[in-house]
Amino acid sequence: DIQMTQSPSFLSASVGDRVTITCRASESISSFLSWYEQRPGRAPKLLIFAASTLQTGVPSRFSGSGSGTDFTLTISSLQPEDFATYYCQQTYSAPLTFGAGTKVDLK
Amino acid sequence: EVQLLQSGGGLVQPGGSLRLSCAASGFAFSGYGMSWVRQSPGKGLEWVSVISNTGGRAYYADSVEGRFTVSRDNSQDTVYLQMSSLRAEDTAVYYCAKVRLGIFAGLDLWGQGALVTVSS
Repeated sequence: DIQMTQSPSFLSASVGDRVTITCRASESISSFLSWYEQRPGRAPKLLIFAASTLQTGVPSRFSGSGSGTDFTLTISSLQPEDFATYYCQQTYSAPLTFGAGTKVDLK
Repeated sequence: EVQLLQSGGGLVQPGGSLRLSCAASGFAFSGYGMSWVRQSPGKGLEWVSVISNTGGRAYYADSVEGRFTVSRDNSQDTVYLQMSSLRAEDTAVYYCAKVRLGIFAGLDLWGQGALVTVSS
């Protein structure tokens, strides 16, 4: 099974900050990576698929990059509604594993 | 409205069975793979299963292989997760989700979640 390692697990930031979350796969997954945002008590929401393609309706302050084993989610200017938990997921091969998550909270 | 409406959660004893349902509306259900993802209390997301648009292919997490079965009824626009031999560690909120494209891709539409509690 492919293991997904996310870092950091927790991140304290302020409104307006640039935030970067990384995800590393235990083997190459090409660009088969998605990013999700989950707010407390809510279902996850797809932000980015195919490593760097923004899902329809997602603000342009979100961006994704990477291929192979190393990937990054960047929020260019953190907004109040962005305080949430972010997950990566590899969609290269079953089981389609998630990272453990990165919780972004207010500094 | 494009949505997934889940039902079937509840309390079940260890070793028992339960079936979750997920009814789709607002999109061409038979054209998309469907997936199940769970989240134990206070924990992260765990992928559980995926089924192809025709139902001809299905994949499972190691933790549920042999105990859970995913199926779908395209005439009813509904996907199911039959869970048996349930254990305490299966306690979680279970989400159904639509696969964006094919069977291995991002999940672009999620249900509201259904809580399954396995306890005596």
